[in-house]
Amino acid sequence: GDSVTQMEGPVTLSEEAFLTINCTYTATGYPSLFWYVQYPGEGLQLLLKATKADDKGSNKGFEATYRKETTSFHLEKGSVQVSDSAVYFCALREGAQKLVFGQGTRLTINP
Amino acid sequence: ETGVTQSPTHLIKTRGQQVTLRCSSQSGHNTVSWYQQALGQGPQFIFQYYREEENGRGNFPPRFSGLQFPNYSSELNVNALELDDSALYLCASTLRGGQETQYFGPGTRLLVL
Repeated sequence: GDSVTQMEGPVTLSEEAFLTINCTYTATGYPSLFWYVQYPGEGLQLLLKATKADDKGSNKGFEATYRKETTSFHLEKGSVQVSDSAVYFCALREGAQKLVFGQGTRLTINP
Repeated sequence: ETGVTQSPTHLIKTRGQQVTLRCSSQSGHNTVSWYQQALGQGPQFIFQYYREEENGRGNFPPRFSGLQFPNYSSELNVNALELDDSALYLCASTLRGGQETQYFGPGTRLLVL
């Protein structure tokens, strides 16, 4: 079945550092890909998405590019802030039904 | 703010009891999905309801059941609670036929003792 593998956490960076969180997927077709963020004690918020190969999703300085050839959707940000501290989930969706999530990567940004 | 609300926010039950969790979708969203998120894990798909009928189910036993109502609200019912049912339960609403992005509520944290 479909699956998503994320970079193991936790990840700790200093403010203004460059961020990459790796995400690769396995799917039989051509899924839509998502990054969700979960702040402490809250539900999931959609961060960005891409629906086809070579699409780039972007939001709040975060970017991810849908790479079909490497089945990847890595999350990047050029300069992180303390407020970016959260858990980040990569996910895919095929068809109209379920999202399949990775295990999550906890990110901590130190001032 | 996603426009999706859930109640209650926290709940404590004992093993063998039954629980009902509630979700209010974004207005106009005709599809609701429920997910279980165990501590330190990614959410796992329980099932989806579209126009008040179940429309897909994950690897969860029949004691997990649901309802969807015409007013965009829905319920997740869990019978015969087990200790492993302790988790954060998330609902997500979608407009099928639109962009189909799933918007999540804040979740209900269930503890089974």
